[in-house]
Amino acid sequence: GAGVSQTPSNKVTEKGKYVELRCDPISGHTALYWYRQSLGQGPEFLIYFQGTGAADDSGLPNDRFFAVRPEGSVSTLKIQRTERGDSAVYLCASSYGQGNTEAFFGQGTRLTVV
Amino acid sequence: QKEVEQNSGPLSVPEGAIASLNCTYSDRGSQSFFWYRQYSGKSPELIMFIYSNGDKEDGRFTAQLNKASQYVSLLIRDSQPSDSATYLCAVKSAAGNTPLVFGQGTRLSVIA
Repeated sequence: GAGVSQTPSNKVTEKGKYVELRCDPISGHTALYWYRQSLGQGPEFLIYFQGTGAADDSGLPNDRFFAVRPEGSVSTLKIQRTERGDSAVYLCASSYGQGNTEAFFGQGTRLTVV
Repeated sequence: QKEVEQNSGPLSVPEGAIASLNCTYSDRGSQSFFWYRQYSGKSPELIMFIYSNGDKEDGRFTAQLNKASQYVSLLIRDSQPSDSATYLCAVKSAAGNTPLVFGQGTRLSVIA
């Protein structure tokens, strides 16, 4: 596609439920990043994929968060037993990966846990 | 100490003036620096990137990098009300494939 696509754009879920957020990166981009952004803050790094493997998952806040990218393209961020504190905009970005290449963001998924 | 620091603002400038946005970073090994613009409710949009010390100009935007002082700035000339947004500074280290680390952003308001 022309840009990074994220679905859904909005997700409201009840506390304790499981959610999946999807990211479809720009075609040909090997690197994919997940960030979380709370109101008034900059994006906070969660996890980074280079191809199919998670190159850096140091930003995942706890073991309720997990992400996959099985074929090196689309990625899914999975959150188990959601908590109200998980409410934020989840941003996905992609880049060509190696070296100093710029990352392009999708429109984000606004997650609200009620 | 945060890895990337920005003044949250708001920074208010009159239309037509120069807006100066500043960012400092803690990792001396950082190699590439990015400025993103984020309108309210939208995702970050890349404006400029800079890798070398000095100035880099693109239209009304100039990025300035001083690695010795660990400082990067963005100047917006002839500011327009449409420039009103949050400007995010992001830094990437030299350590192989690493993600961007963002500052909290500076909110700019250009007053007509």
